[in-house]
Amino acid sequence: GNSVTQMEGPVTLSEEAFLTINCTYTATGYPSLFWYVQYPGEGLQLLLKATKADDKGSNKGFEATYRKETTSFHLEKGSVQVSDSAVYFCALMDSNYQLIWGAGTKLIIKP
Amino acid sequence: DGGITQSPKYLFRKEGQNVTLSCEQNLNHDAMYWYRQDPGQGLRLIYYSQIVNDFQKGDIAEGYSVSREKKESFPLTVTSAQKNPTAFYLCASSSTELGSYNSPLHFGNGTRLTVT
Repeated sequence: GNSVTQMEGPVTLSEEAFLTINCTYTATGYPSLFWYVQYPGEGLQLLLKATKADDKGSNKGFEATYRKETTSFHLEKGSVQVSDSAVYFCALMDSNYQLIWGAGTKLIIKP
Repeated sequence: DGGITQSPKYLFRKEGQNVTLSCEQNLNHDAMYWYRQDPGQGLRLIYYSQIVNDFQKGDIAEGYSVSREKKESFPLTVTSAQKNPTAFYLCASSSTELGSYNSPLHFGNGTRLTVT
């Protein structure tokens, strides 16, 4: 079946460091891929998405490229800020409109 | 502004009592979802509904019930049959119109339920 695997957290970085959070998936067909972010005590917000191979989603300095050959959708940011501290979820949407979620990766940015 | 409203933000109940969590959306979305989130885990789907008066069980529906009498509303009842009800509950909605296959979910801010 379809699945999403994310790197385990927490990931702890200093401000202005480079961020990578790995996400790989298993799916039939060509699912859409998403990154959601959850700030403490809140619901999830869509951060970025990509709908086909080689698409790059980007938002708020974050980027992720849909790599079909490696079935990956890694999240990157060149210079993180304390305000980026949150839990990040990778997900894919299957053909039944259902989202398959990764377990989430907690990101802690220290000043 | 359009959005999803979950209420209350915090809810406390005694074991053995049923409790209903509210979820209202004014996004005109057809599909609505309930997820449960436990510490350090991803989201698990409880129930979802793609049209009014119809809903489907998700991965962990046991001990929960829902109704979808109106497009805007999708309340979740946590029954006394749910063995571990203490969790953070998230409601979401999305469009299912043709062409919105890639439509993302919009989430409410969640309800934290504590049962003692």
